[in-house]
Formats: sequence, structure tokens, C-alpha cells
Amino acid sequence: QKEVEQDPGPLSVPEGAIVSLNCTYSNSAFQYFMWYRQYSRKGPELLMYTYSSGNKEDGRFTAQVDKSSKYISLFIRDSQPSDSATYLCAMIVNDMRFGAGTRLTVKP
Amino acid sequence: DGGITQSPKYLFRKEGQNVTLSCEQNLNHDAMYWYRQDPGQGLRLIYYSQIVNDFQKGDIAEGYSVSREKKESFPLTVTSAQKNPTAFYLCASRSTLNQPQHFGDGTRLSIL
Repeated sequence: QKEVEQDPGPLSVPEGAIVSLNCTYSNSAFQYFMWYRQYSRKGPELLMYTYSSGNKEDGRFTAQVDKSSKYISLFIRDSQPSDSATYLCAMIVNDMRFGAGTRLTVKP
Repeated sequence: DGGITQSPKYLFRKEGQNVTLSCEQNLNHDAMYWYRQDPGQGLRLIYYSQIVNDFQKGDIAEGYSVSREKKESFPLTVTSAQKNPTAFYLCASRSTLNQPQHFGDGTRLSIL
């Protein structure tokens, strides 16, 4: 079993939809949680960084962490075609562990 | 602007040839990392370095080598022993253990 599981998709939604991206993990020692966005032929860029259970909001993006269920989510409201990218979850205990990434397409 | 610079953006390797990928950062980060990214497989750690003149193997170090002579620089050499080198290579750095990594824009390596 992988330490971090992420559905690779692909996920296709119409413009304006609410997108939900999810990861589960097996190591309860993970303390810090991140979401990265990666456009094609580019490096991942950090979107959200959180270390506690609950919600963290930044504009149209909300990161949710449920440590009791070992589950994290990223919600994108009012999705735009410019949100089309691969989204990677990541976690830290000492080193970082990444999910495989979910490829998202937002259609105009 | 602070960041991580990877060069070249595209690189081609002939059979039996070693090639070196450059990674430079001006973020004053202590730790640097090299990842390989293949379609559908996420990021796989090749090598990492927590401090100058010290580095550790990651999950897929065979066929690769690194050096860390300066804090700012962490070049990766893909040797001829790496039989399947075609991939997207990403360099990253971070300041402390609990901080997220920051990435460069990658080098795409292909076989001629």
C-alpha cells in the first residue's frame, strides 16, 4: 500500500463547477499537508500549506484536512479553464511524500 | 526574484553518453532534491542533499550521480548506466524540514 493515495483521474468538469480533489494517507505521523498545481511542462507550484485539521481558504481554493480519517481535500470554486492542470497532494513527516497527481480539465 | 533555475529545458542524450542537468537556487535553502517524473507515476526521489558536501540516495538512485560543492548548486548527472533515462526531471529545495519544497521548471531528457 502506498503511503499517499490519489486518484489520477482524469477529471473533466464544465467551467463554473465546484471541483473536489482528494488524497488518503496511511501514516498517522504526517503533520503538514500541501497541494501543488502543475501546468504542462512546468514544475509544481505550491497552492496551499496547512498543518492542522480543518479548513483553510485562499480565494477560490479551500484545503480541508481530516487527520482522524487520514483524508485531505482541495476544493476549487467557480472553476476556470486556467485551473486545468495536474494537482498533487503532498505531506511531511520528516521527508515529503507526494500523491501521483490528479489531472483536471475545466471546459469552457 | 528568488527561485530555482533548471537548465537546459530540453536535453538529448546519445547511447553511452553521460549528461548533466543543472540546478541553481538563490533562496538560501539548505536542502535540495532531484525527482524524476514519468506519466502517471508521480514524483520519484533520485537524490537529496541536506547540506553542502553531503547527499543521500533516494528511491531510484541507480544510474544517477550528484554533487553538492556549493549551497546554491546541485547538479545531476545521468550516466550511461541509466537504461531508461527519458523523463521529466525536477529539482526542488526547502529551508527546513517542515517547510514545503519549491520546484524549478524541470528539464525534459530524451534519447536520440
